[in-house]
Amino acid sequence: GESVGLHLPTLSVQEGDNSIINCAYSNSASDYFIWYKQESGKGPQFIIDIRSNMDKRQGQRVTVLLNKTVKHLSLQIAATQPGDSAVYFCAENAGGTSYGKLTFGQGTILTVHP
Amino acid sequence: DAGITQSPRHKVTETGTPVTLRCHQTENHRYMYWYRQDPGHGLRLIHYSYGVKDTDKGEVSDGYSVSRSKTEDFLLTLESATSSQTSVYFCAISEAGRSSTDTQYFGPGTRLTVL
Repeated sequence: GESVGLHLPTLSVQEGDNSIINCAYSNSASDYFIWYKQESGKGPQFIIDIRSNMDKRQGQRVTVLLNKTVKHLSLQIAATQPGDSAVYFCAENAGGTSYGKLTFGQGTILTVHP
Repeated sequence: DAGITQSPRHKVTETGTPVTLRCHQTENHRYMYWYRQDPGHGLRLIHYSYGVKDTDKGEVSDGYSVSRSKTEDFLLTLESATSSQTSVYFCAISEAGRSSTDTQYFGPGTRLTVL
């Protein structure tokens, strides 16, 4: 899961395994969530999003699950590939501002071994 | 990177010098944002723009100014760079901004080192 500090959580998996990355969000008023992937030396890349009126959303090889009761978000990656190795972080939007204010988690390092 | 470019991609400068970073988008999105990314702090918003000549402060705006004279360009200026501003800077854009379901898309980043 997410944590604050210099040491990011890490997840190591074998190629072909399924990966689950967790995120605990902070604001119960948040109604929109995004998962980003960031490869070394690159900008964050949008993966998938989910609105608070949904519990689950599927994309290509990825699924996001939202549990509002415990303020928990997870990203599942099916058949993980070496190209999935990156830092993954979630972002939440609680609205209530004049812009799309996003609060970002610290991230989880995913390493996929061939 | 959703039609977003940043320049320069890398810069080394000395304390006290002015620095300007440029973000250019080809998506015609209304909202543009400048973030900095540092270990232990994640992404933090510096300034954002909600239209031409319309800008406002984010959570870490001290020491930075911005300008937006055209829809496609958003400039971030460090008037007098300090070592604490050594960071990776990302530009982001979003179509609407005001909607709580509006996604932000990021540029490739600029790595700035202040000696």
